[in-house]
Amino acid sequence: KNEVEQSPQNLTAQEGEFITINCSYSVGISALHWLQQHPGGGIVSLFMLSSGKKKHGRLIATINIQEKHSSLHITASHPRDSAVYICAVLNTGTASKLTFGTGTRLQVTL
Amino acid sequence: NAGVMQNPRHLVRRRGQEARLRCSPMKGHSHVYWYRQLPEEGLKFMVYLQKENIIDESGMPKERFSAEFPKEGPSILRIQQVVRGDSAAYFCASSPGILNTGELFFGEGSRLTVL
Repeated sequence: KNEVEQSPQNLTAQEGEFITINCSYSVGISALHWLQQHPGGGIVSLFMLSSGKKKHGRLIATINIQEKHSSLHITASHPRDSAVYICAVLNTGTASKLTFGTGTRLQVTL
Repeated sequence: NAGVMQNPRHLVRRRGQEARLRCSPMKGHSHVYWYRQLPEEGLKFMVYLQKENIIDESGMPKERFSAEFPKEGPSILRIQQVVRGDSAAYFCASSPGILNTGELFFGEGSRLTVL
């Protein structure tokens, strides 16, 4: 079993829909990152969370440390949101080594 | 303020040749990370460096792979005697501090193809 599991693996949505991507992890962590990988391959960091909730534009990320679970929400989805969304955790006891989920491939259609 | 710069973006090598991938972190960032993404697989940590020091290389294959981050110049990931299984995208990232304090900034990646 992977230390970081994401669901769903693939997601298709229509423009305007509310989207939720889930990340569950099995280890103790000090931080969790959400990343976006564009179709061209480039990677952008969306959020770094250690507790609670963060919001940036139409994106919201939450984390529940007790339940070892994080969610990434996209409100009013748009075709330009189509990308792979990757959850990565920083295990306690390491300052550097991220462990990545396998990603959720999102396709938003008109 | 330029982002993380990686070059080359694409590199083709024949089996047995050497591949050198370069990464210039964002200005002011002294923490550099290398990750590998094999085709249809997730990202995997390879190595974490600070200026002139390898801090954590637990993700590096034991042979043929090495990394450095000299006092002057970019970080280099070097793969000697490449094999087909080394074909992958190699991403570099940098941060201003350790990873539980802030964001991570990625380069566009270097895509290595071994013929």
